[in-house]
Amino acid sequence: DVKVTQSSRYLVKRTGEKVFLECVQDMDHENMFWYRQDPGLGLRLIYFSYDVKMKEKGDIPEGYSVSREKKERFSLILESASTNQTSMYLCASSLQGWHEQYFGPGTRLTVT
Amino acid sequence: RKEVEQDPGPFNVPEGATVAFNCTYSNSASQSFFWYRQDCRKEPKLLMSVYSSGNEDGRFTAQLNRASQYISLLIRDSKLSDSATYLCVVTDTGRRALTFGSGTRLQVQP
Repeated sequence: DVKVTQSSRYLVKRTGEKVFLECVQDMDHENMFWYRQDPGLGLRLIYFSYDVKMKEKGDIPEGYSVSREKKERFSLILESASTNQTSMYLCASSLQGWHEQYFGPGTRLTVT
Repeated sequence: RKEVEQDPGPFNVPEGATVAFNCTYSNSASQSFFWYRQDCRKEPKLLMSVYSSGNEDGRFTAQLNRASQYISLLIRDSKLSDSATYLCVVTDTGRRALTFGSGTRLQVQP
């Protein structure tokens, strides 16, 4: 069974703090993704990576950066958290090509 | 205009009913289509892919109409366990990523 794990289920941070969200997958998938999910807006793609040290911007990359130093790990960084980044963050991975994406359980981030 | 549009619902149906959801997409070059299911407070999971010729998986039937740019999902003989949000997903030909609709919520009542 594919397993995608995220470092925290719930996180509370203050405005201006630097925030790291970690995602690890154990199935040797090439592609990894970060989404945020907000009511009425659905899942929106922040960044994705199709190889180690490679990254591409998604639909809403502003205020975020990512790091992929190892194939199994994809980190999302909020350089200076703001209240409008309060959201559910979901990580996903997939094989090369248009394959099924496997999601982690999500991190609910609250920025106060 | 959103790239993928869905009726948010909720659709409240009795057990045993047949229910259908539609989804429209704006990019005529989209190539691949999927339905994902998301249970309350859980992560999305792939329900089924959608093929041009239509496809069935048990009580679930997916159809694609490229000319009108819409995808449908039909659920027959609804079960309580079908209660969830159903996400319509299309591929973006410009990148190796998926575009999700905001989902249609289904509540099956006993």
